[in-house]
Amino acid sequence: GAGVSQSPSNKVTEKGKDVELRCDPISGHTALYWYRQSLGQGLEFLIYFQGNSAPDKSGLPSDRFSAERTGGSVSTLTIQRTQQEDSAVYLCASSPPPAGYYGYTFGSGTRLTVV
Amino acid sequence: QKEVEQNSGPLSVPEGAIASLNCTYSDRGSQSFFWYRQYSGKSPELIMFIYSNGDKEDGRFTAQLNKASQYVSLLIRDSQPSDSATYLCAVTHNNQAGTALIFGKGTTLSVSS
Repeated sequence: GAGVSQSPSNKVTEKGKDVELRCDPISGHTALYWYRQSLGQGLEFLIYFQGNSAPDKSGLPSDRFSAERTGGSVSTLTIQRTQQEDSAVYLCASSPPPAGYYGYTFGSGTRLTVV
Repeated sequence: QKEVEQNSGPLSVPEGAIASLNCTYSDRGSQSFFWYRQYSGKSPELIMFIYSNGDKEDGRFTAQLNKASQYVSLLIRDSQPSDSATYLCAVTHNNQAGTALIFGKGTTLSVSS
């Protein structure tokens, strides 16, 4: 596609439920990144995938968070047993090779609200 | 912990003035440096990148890099109300897994007409 596509754009869920957020990167972009941004805060790195290498999971805040990338393209971020502090905008970005050298292109984000 | 520091602002300038945004970073291994603009409720968009020491100009925007001082800046000439946004500084960070961007918390710019 022309840009990074994220779905859903908005998600309201009850505390304790699991959610899945989807990201479809720009075709040909080998690197894919997940960040989250809480209200009025900066971008918090979560995880990134680069080609066929093992992902860098160092930013995941707890074991309730996981992500996968299938076929080197679409990625899914899963949050299990959601908590109110998980409420934030989850941003996906992708980058052509060499990863990060030219910066990222961000998707429009998924706004997650845990009630 | 690799960090990128920015003054949160708000930075207020009148229309037509020069806005100066500053950023310092801690990772001496950083090789690429970026400025993103984020309007309220929107995702960040890339406006400038710079790799070498010195200045890089693109229209009304000039990015400046000083690797010895670990300092990056963005100048916006002839500021317009439409420039009112949060400006994020980002630098590359390399580790065993590859390369990712570390972002500052952003500086809020307000341009008054």
